[in-house]
Amino acid sequence: QKEVEQNSGPLSVPEGAIASLNCTYSDRGSQSFFWYRQYSGKSPELIMSIYSNGDKEDGRFTAQLNKASQYVSLLIRDSQPSDSATYLCASGGYQKVTFGIGTKLQVIP
Amino acid sequence: NAGVTQTPKFQVLKTGQSMTLQCAQDMNHNSMYWYRQDPGMGLRLIYYSASEGTTDKGEVPNGYNVSRLNKREFSLRLESAAPSQTSVYFCASSALAGGLSNTGELFFGEGSRLTVL
Repeated sequence: QKEVEQNSGPLSVPEGAIASLNCTYSDRGSQSFFWYRQYSGKSPELIMSIYSNGDKEDGRFTAQLNKASQYVSLLIRDSQPSDSATYLCASGGYQKVTFGIGTKLQVIP
Repeated sequence: NAGVTQTPKFQVLKTGQSMTLQCAQDMNHNSMYWYRQDPGMGLRLIYYSASEGTTDKGEVPNGYNVSRLNKREFSLRLESAAPSQTSVYFCASSALAGGLSNTGELFFGEGSRLTVL
C-alpha cells in the first residue's frame, strides 16, 4: 500500500464547475500536506500547502485536511481549461516528502 | 533567477553505461532531492540530502549514488545503467533543513528524460 493514495482518473468536469480531488494517507505522523500541479511534459509546481485541520483558501483553490480521517482534498472552483493537468497530493514527514500517483483532471470547454 | 537547473535534459544510454545527472539550485536551499517519475507509479524518492554534507536513501535507491558537492549542487550517478532505470528524473530543493514539518514545499527542476536501451 502506498503511503499516499489517489485515484488516477481522469476526472472530467465542465468549464465553470467545481473540481474535487481527493487523497488519503497512511502515516499518522505526517504533519504537512501539499498539492502540486503538473502539466504534461512539465515539472510539478506547488499550488497549496496545508498544515492544520480545516480549510485553506487561495483564490479559486481550497485545500481541506482531516487528520482524524487521514484525508486531504483540493477543490477548484470555476474550473478553466487551463486547469487541465495532473494534480499530485503529497505528505511531508521527517526529512522527506511522499507523493501520490496523481489525478488527471480534464476541464471540458 | 534560474531556480533549480538540471542537466542533461535528455540522454540515451546503452545497458551498462554510466552517467551523472547534475543539479544546481541558486535559492540557498538546505535540502535537495532526486525523484524518478514513471507512469502509474508517481514520483518516487531516490535519495535526498537534508543539509550540506549529508545524504540518505529514499524509497528506490538501488542502482544509484549521489553526491552533495556543496550547498548548491546535488548529483545523481548511475554506475551501470539498466533498462529499468528508463524514467524521467527530477531534482528538487527545499528551503528548510530536514526534520521540519513544512519540508514538502519543493521547487523542481525541469526534469531529465533518460532512456536505457
